[in-house]
Amino acid sequence: QVQLVDSGGGVVQPGRSLRLSCAASGFIFKNYGMHWVRQAPGKGLEWVSVIWYDGSNKHYADSVKGRFTISRDNSKNTLNLQMNSLRAEDTAVYYCARDRRDVPIFVMDVWGQGTTVTVSS
Amino acid sequence: SYVLTQPPSVSVAPGQTARITCGGTNIGSKSVPWYQQKPGQAPVLVVYDDSDRPSGIPERFSGSNSGNTATLTISRVEAGDEADYYCQVWDSSSDHVVFGGGTKLTVL
Repeated sequence: QVQLVDSGGGVVQPGRSLRLSCAASGFIFKNYGMHWVRQAPGKGLEWVSVIWYDGSNKHYADSVKGRFTISRDNSKNTLNLQMNSLRAEDTAVYYCARDRRDVPIFVMDVWGQGTTVTVSS
Repeated sequence: SYVLTQPPSVSVAPGQTARITCGGTNIGSKSVPWYQQKPGQAPVLVVYDDSDRPSGIPERFSGSNSGNTATLTISRVEAGDEADYYCQVWDSSSDHVVFGGGTKLTVL
């Protein structure tokens, strides 16, 4: 079945780095754009980043631009999020999500289960 | 930046119709997906392209979009529909995805 499995979360000190991964299965990964979305404790959804199906184009939320990098390995069916210079306000559950198209139309039809990132000293 | 405004909460009795609004400047010119999120779970797409439903989503869920307001309508509400609901758009002027603040649907 179509599935996304998020991993890589944990507790990290402010200023340090963390790399999240999202393993895709049950569909042709290289044919879809992919997103990261996060949710701080008790808060709403916040979009983080999007990457085109072939990695040719990427966009970031202002809150993470310059600190986070989205990437994908279509040979391994994996989406990644490299998070540097982490701040307390980055504490959240991070979800990967599939776009409905290769060139994103910004509709997220499949979501991972989420992985929790806690930034604390 | 583009802002989407949702009411924090909506309450409805079982069997009645719930309407959740999403306000934004000229939102009628944009495509609006809606997501349902139950406590402790990942979001689920329930409506896209204003009014289409993914497979497996009941026909009770429908959407509309015109002017400055998009609306998610849930007919014949059931206890299992109790959840947070989010609208979302793509803001092409900033190349950002924008989510509304979310609406908590309570089934009385």
